[in-house]
Amino acid sequence: DQQVKQNSPSLSVQEGRISILNCDYTNSMFDYFLWYKKYPAEGPTFLISISSIKDKNEDGRFTVFLNKSAKHLSLHIVPSQPGDSAVYFCAASGDTSGTYKYIFGTGTRLKVLA
Amino acid sequence: GAVVSQHPSWVICKSGTSVKIECRSLDFQATTMFWYRQFPKQSLMLMATSNEGSKATYEQGVEKDKFLINHASLTLSTLTVTSAHPEDSSFYICSAPGQGTQETQYFGPGTRLLVL
Repeated sequence: DQQVKQNSPSLSVQEGRISILNCDYTNSMFDYFLWYKKYPAEGPTFLISISSIKDKNEDGRFTVFLNKSAKHLSLHIVPSQPGDSAVYFCAASGDTSGTYKYIFGTGTRLKVLA
Repeated sequence: GAVVSQHPSWVICKSGTSVKIECRSLDFQATTMFWYRQFPKQSLMLMATSNEGSKATYEQGVEKDKFLINHASLTLSTLTVTSAHPEDSSFYICSAPGQGTQETQYFGPGTRLLVL
């Protein structure tokens, strides 16, 4: 049962344009949602997060939107830069089965074309 | 920011041997650490939650006798892959929650294991 889903395995965007990465979840108990960026053979690095009580959080070029009714969140990167090329994971955290956990989506590989 | 280290960064071992991977929080204490495994082109799969001073909590489908976890101190958790087989070859990553909040977590750089 995939509780966090990223249905687009890859995305290509021209430099300077907006990148939109999407994520869907099924468990309404999640209380935080996070986005991580990952380069090959490295651990993920935290990008931005949003609490379940908010619908938008912005940090520089990165904005995360949360639609609780649709159980959907998205990460907007604008303007996109070649250095943004990486795999992006969304994650949801919350108390599931009595333990606080982080559940990851399958990732979206973003390629920003110069 | 908080730093989590892992050692070794990569290891090659023969089938049947055991391999220990260390995860350390360098400048903060972590009563909880998480161990993940990543297969190529797949998500980070949570294997277990390591708890300082008590038994680890394993996710469904993860063999606790195969993947031994010991949270020896507030800054160290170890994952031992026992009797390793080629199918255990993977990228193993640990993480620790951010201080004072569960909003973020800090990841180690990962350990690549290759079992021949």
